[in-house]
Amino acid sequence: DTGVSQDPRHKITKRGQNVTFRCDPISEHNRLYWYRQTLGQGPEFLTYFQNEAQLEKSRLLSDRFSAERPKGSFSTLEIQRTEQGDSAMYLCASSLGRPGRDNEQFFGPGTRLTVL
Amino acid sequence: QQQVKQSPQSLIVQKGGISIINCAYENTAFDYFPWYQQFPGKGPALLIAIRPDVSEKKEGRFTISFNKSAKQFSLHIMDSQPGDSATYFCAASREYGTASKLTFGTGTRLQVTL
Repeated sequence: DTGVSQDPRHKITKRGQNVTFRCDPISEHNRLYWYRQTLGQGPEFLTYFQNEAQLEKSRLLSDRFSAERPKGSFSTLEIQRTEQGDSAMYLCASSLGRPGRDNEQFFGPGTRLTVL
Repeated sequence: QQQVKQSPQSLIVQKGGISIINCAYENTAFDYFPWYQQFPGKGPALLIAIRPDVSEKKEGRFTISFNKSAKQFSLHIMDSQPGDSATYFCAASREYGTASKLTFGTGTRLQVTL
């Protein structure tokens, strides 16, 4: 399967714990995005990488959240001191990053986080 | 601030019927309008997309109609099938912007009955 992959698919944690999610984009895709989706809502943009550079962060991304893409390939999203309000599906998407057809974003299956 | 408004919230269509979902946007800088299909427990999958240089795009049973002056676009699913039952999201972005981040609507839950 050459699509976007995410790990783990599900994560249950207690409030106050730290969690880390991983995303492997489609090979050769330069752009990588993180979105958050709560029940009954559309995905909301969190942050975006062009290769290894994090170029934009949403105001939704509090200082408890940090994302990295160290070698311009896979990315990690860490949430520190989790809160119940962090419970959501965390989606990763990637694209080639060229305007036109090559700019289409392809999503992974998501990581569902439940904070107890 | 909700920049993309989607309706209806839910839709029930009989097999063989036409499903129509509407979206309206506010940001005139948006220049790329995709539709995504999402099944329970899965990530969104790109269905079809349109850019404002055309007013309609058709791929198989799926058609996007785009009205730039009204800042509205819609998805039409012809000959709807039970397998089309899913949640559909419209989205918009500035394709030539730095991030091309997607702004999504709130989704339409489609149920196609036999």
